[in-house]
Amino acid sequence: EPEVTQTPSHQVTQMGQEVILRCVPISNHLYFYWYRQILGQKVEFLVSFYNNEISEKSEIFDDQFSVERPDGSNFTLKIRSTKLEDSAMYFCASRGTGTLWADTQYFGPGTRLTVL
Amino acid sequence: GESVGLHLPTLSVQEGDNSIINCAYSNSASDYFIWYKQESGKGPQFIIDIRSNMDKRQGQRVTVLLNKTVKHLSLQIAATQPGDSAVYFCAENNYGQNFVFGPGTRLSVLP
Repeated sequence: EPEVTQTPSHQVTQMGQEVILRCVPISNHLYFYWYRQILGQKVEFLVSFYNNEISEKSEIFDDQFSVERPDGSNFTLKIRSTKLEDSAMYFCASRGTGTLWADTQYFGPGTRLTVL
Repeated sequence: GESVGLHLPTLSVQEGDNSIINCAYSNSASDYFIWYKQESGKGPQFIIDIRSNMDKRQGQRVTVLLNKTVKHLSLQIAATQPGDSAVYFCAENNYGQNFVFGPGTRLSVLP
């Protein structure tokens, strides 16, 4: 069964450093997302991406964040200058064509980001 | 603003019993809802979804009920098994591409 994959599973970085979180969405999906989940809290939407551009972003997704689809398979989230409060689990998700029952988002296993 | 699922209760059920997990949402314009299961250390896993033009949908051992009048969503799990132990949360969508998630309910299945 196709699945969303994410690397690395755990990233430790120093405050102020740049990190890139990587995702490989399901191959025939067209919509891509990043979410984060701070430990013990609910999942929060960061950004959605379609047709090679951001379609929607939350207030969390400030100028420190960027997303890119550098090739036909990868989808990345970059945090330019990490802060302590960026420590969280980051989930990538993808979904298909948006037909009636195809709105399901499939989540990757997540990358745990720890900022020291 | 939108909000989904204002509480994080814990539900304990005996193995074999039925479970009912509830979710309240506040955006009456939301038209699509999903229930997710999240096991410790893993990403959310899709369970079942429902559109606002329906009030009930059944899957394998799971049923989702939608009451738009009171903006309430429930997930029923039949014959709960130990493998069902996880955090369950609902998410709503309003004709857009992003979802608003609730904080979740922890389901604990007792032997």
